[in-house]
Amino acid sequence: GAGVSQSPSNKVTEKGKDVELRCDPISGHTALYWYRQSLGQGLEFLIYFQGNSAPDKSGLPSDRFSAERTGGSVSTLTIQRTQQEDSAVYLCASSRKGTGGTDTQYFGPGTRLTVL
Amino acid sequence: GNSVTQMEGPVTLSEEAFLTINCTYTATGYPSLFWYVQYPGEGLQLLLKATKADDKGSNKGFEATYRKETTSFHLEKGSVQVSDSAVYFCALTPGSEKLVFGKGTKLTVNP
Repeated sequence: GAGVSQSPSNKVTEKGKDVELRCDPISGHTALYWYRQSLGQGLEFLIYFQGNSAPDKSGLPSDRFSAERTGGSVSTLTIQRTQQEDSAVYLCASSRKGTGGTDTQYFGPGTRLTVL
Repeated sequence: GNSVTQMEGPVTLSEEAFLTINCTYTATGYPSLFWYVQYPGEGLQLLLKATKADDKGSNKGFEATYRKETTSFHLEKGSVQVSDSAVYFCALTPGSEKLVFGKGTKLTVNP
């Protein structure tokens, strides 16, 4: 079946602009996650959704970052006033239930964000 | 806090060699442990997992055993192939849903 999809695959923007990154999880998966992969910091958790609610936003690095999920499906990660340090690959993952910490998370191919 | 430490790479082996990638962790409670793999040009995918002490995860000839006494989850394979060349990430879920990753180990297998 279809996996997790993300769009765009690549995004180049200028410092100070806003960007929106989209994630389509596997159909029927209630849990959705955003991570960031950068050379300096490795793989970092950003936010976790259970349905449309976000019980854990602890990884969002600043108030320039926000995310929402609608209809228990698609999620959008928005970065306002982008900075060069925001350049990274943004990964989305989904899992069937997202409870108990034992679920397998399935990752999308990522969006590579470059801030000039 | 919760953290994962894995051996720094890169690791270069010849085909059919034995592979070990060390992984140790610090966590409160009883985490689940995972190995994820990222092949060149592809996304992260689960390789194997173990959810409680003494469990052994295995897949594609790879194995790792959850050792609570040594807080370790070392990845092993008896005979690597060129197609195993990838970056390997050890990770845990510390009783919550987020994955905490190690920094990754790049493996290159030469024919």
